[in-house]
Amino acid sequence: DIQMTQSPSSLSASVGDRVTITCRASQSISSYLNWYQQKPGKAPKLLIYETSSLQSGVPSRFSGSGSGTDFTLTISSLQPEDFATYYCQQSYSTPWTFGQGTKVEIK
Amino acid sequence: QVQLVQSGAEVKKPGASVKVSCKASGYTFTGYYMHWVRQAPGQGLEWMGWINPNTGGANYAQKFQGRVTMTRDTSISTAYMELSRLRSDDTAVYFCARDRYNWNYGCFDPWGQGTLVTVSS
Repeated sequence: DIQMTQSPSSLSASVGDRVTITCRASQSISSYLNWYQQKPGKAPKLLIYETSSLQSGVPSRFSGSGSGTDFTLTISSLQPEDFATYYCQQSYSTPWTFGQGTKVEIK
Repeated sequence: QVQLVQSGAEVKKPGASVKVSCKASGYTFTGYYMHWVRQAPGQGLEWMGWINPNTGGANYAQKFQGRVTMTRDTSISTAYMELSRLRSDDTAVYFCARDRYNWNYGCFDPWGQGTLVTVSS
């Protein structure tokens, strides 16, 4: 199975900050990397697919990059509604696997 | 709009089975794979398997092989996930999630609202 490791596990940031979350795969997954946002008590929501493609309706302050084993989710200017947990997930091979999550909290 | 609506919360005893439903609307049910993902309290996301609603074929994560069965009823656009021989560590929220593409790509959008399954004696 492909292991996905996110860092950091949590971070504190202020509104307006630039935030970067990293995801590393245990083997190359080309560009088959997706990002989800989950708020407490809610289902995850797809933000970015295939490393850098923004899902319809997702604000442009979210962006993704990377290839192979190392990937990044960036929020260019953190907004109050962005405080949530973020998960990366590989769609290179089954079983599809997720990172452990990064919780973005208010500083 | 595309929507997945799941059945309500369940409380089960260890050793019992649970069957969760996921009713789809707003798209052609047989055109997209359906996945099931679970989340234990305070934990991350764990993919359980997929079903092809067109053929009924399914594939399960090895961890759940022998205990999980995914089925569908195309007449009512509903997918089901049944988990047997429940243990306390099966306590989790279970989500259905449609594949974003009309093949088994492994990208999940949208998601159902989740069904809490509590296993307790």
